[in-house]
Amino acid sequence: GQQLNQSPQSMFIQEGEDVSMNCTSSSIFNTWLWYKQEPGEGPVLLIALYKAGELTSNGRLTAQFGITRKDSFLNISASIPSDVGIYFCAGRPNTGNQFYFGTGTSLTVIP
Amino acid sequence: DGGITQSPKYLFRKEGQNVTLSCEQNLNHDAMYWYRQDPGQGLRLIYYSQIVNDFQKGDIAEGYSVSREKKESFPLTVTSAQKNPTAFYLCASRPGTGAPYGYTFGSGTRLTVV
Repeated sequence: GQQLNQSPQSMFIQEGEDVSMNCTSSSIFNTWLWYKQEPGEGPVLLIALYKAGELTSNGRLTAQFGITRKDSFLNISASIPSDVGIYFCAGRPNTGNQFYFGTGTSLTVIP
Repeated sequence: DGGITQSPKYLFRKEGQNVTLSCEQNLNHDAMYWYRQDPGQGLRLIYYSQIVNDFQKGDIAEGYSVSREKKESFPLTVTSAQKNPTAFYLCASRPGTGAPYGYTFGSGTRLTVV
């Protein structure tokens, strides 16, 4: 299946710092999604992006649909301990209806 | 409230046994999915169903089986043919495969072989 490269694989940051992560694909996507998964739970949708260049915020989270349509970015400002979890990107290519998932970015926030 | 319910939360299986994981949704979604999650890996698609009485294999269907007799239900059976079944299993649904909307996930079932 389609491979999405998500980086970094893990992050250890101090409370209050900003966080950036990204996801890249080998083909053009028409939809990007960002999810957060807490330990032992299912992923929860944070932000959905539907067109190139789109910038969408959800509280302290901001995500962007890359201009090339082959990447997406997620930023978290002023991190807090409850931001801990695994963040997944998911994208849908122009052809087909299936979404593909990145390998996740594990975020640890040190108080 | 609408959502997806997976049960049980934890499941232990002896080698050679078949076990069935339950997934029920009351979102009136047409499409349902089963994913497997292993540490350090992304979500891998096992099976999906777009409508009742129809389903397709995903990337790692070997050793698994599903049924879709009702719109609300999409149970997954992990058979004895699955050689490495210990993993976290996630069920998800979407309004339809053509819709741009994202997945709604259940809270997962952790299966352990003992």
